[in-house]
Amino acid sequence: DTEVTQTPKHLVMGMTNKKSLKCEQHMGHRAMYWYKQKAKKPPELMFVYSYEKLSINESVPSRFSPECPNSSLLNLHLHALQPEDSALYLCASSQDAGTNTDTQYFGPGTRLTVL
Amino acid sequence: AQSVTQLDSHVSVSEGTPVLLRCNYSSSYSPSLFWYVQHPNKGLQLLLKYTSAATLVKGINGFEAEFKKSETSFHLTKPSAHMSDAAEYFCVVSSMTTDSWGKFQFGAGTQVVVTP
Repeated sequence: DTEVTQTPKHLVMGMTNKKSLKCEQHMGHRAMYWYKQKAKKPPELMFVYSYEKLSINESVPSRFSPECPNSSLLNLHLHALQPEDSALYLCASSQDAGTNTDTQYFGPGTRLTVL
Repeated sequence: AQSVTQLDSHVSVSEGTPVLLRCNYSSSYSPSLFWYVQHPNKGLQLLLKYTSAATLVKGINGFEAEFKKSETSFHLTKPSAHMSDAAEYFCVVSSMTTDSWGKFQFGAGTQVVVTP
């Protein structure tokens, strides 16, 4: 089973709201990723948790905050977002981020709209 | 350093005709290469991958790709297009770096349109 699940599928929020996106995998993978994808563009990597150690894309604003409660779960906490943050947010997982043969498996995404 | 170039941003084919999506890469190390497909408002689905075994790789849904080191290419083909193949396709290169950051490098994508 190569399934990564994400909730919710759609989210509409105001700029003053606080919300969270959730991601789960039960493949025993030790690396999990958050990507942001704008229309007609490839995904852009935001955060990586590898063996529960966080790596951050320095260009991602602090209004995005990742959390990895355990190796199967990944959250993305959202606070004071801007309309330009509207995008498809993809979660992925892989066996071991330390090898170049590592394959990432993607979830279906959360479509986020910021009003 | 690594990079990937998808040579066509848009490909239009008739149903039942062959599909060719072109991908060139550069990498300082022996790379792994992947093709993913994304249908509208969906996640990315792995079609196939090359990880230094056989250079001709077969994937799902009748797709295959050939790794050509001398040409630094990894083109994706399918003998006969189906309407369900209409989607965005991403070529990805991955090679060893000092940390996990930036290891997966995406191409810009190729939009495939299939006409009846």
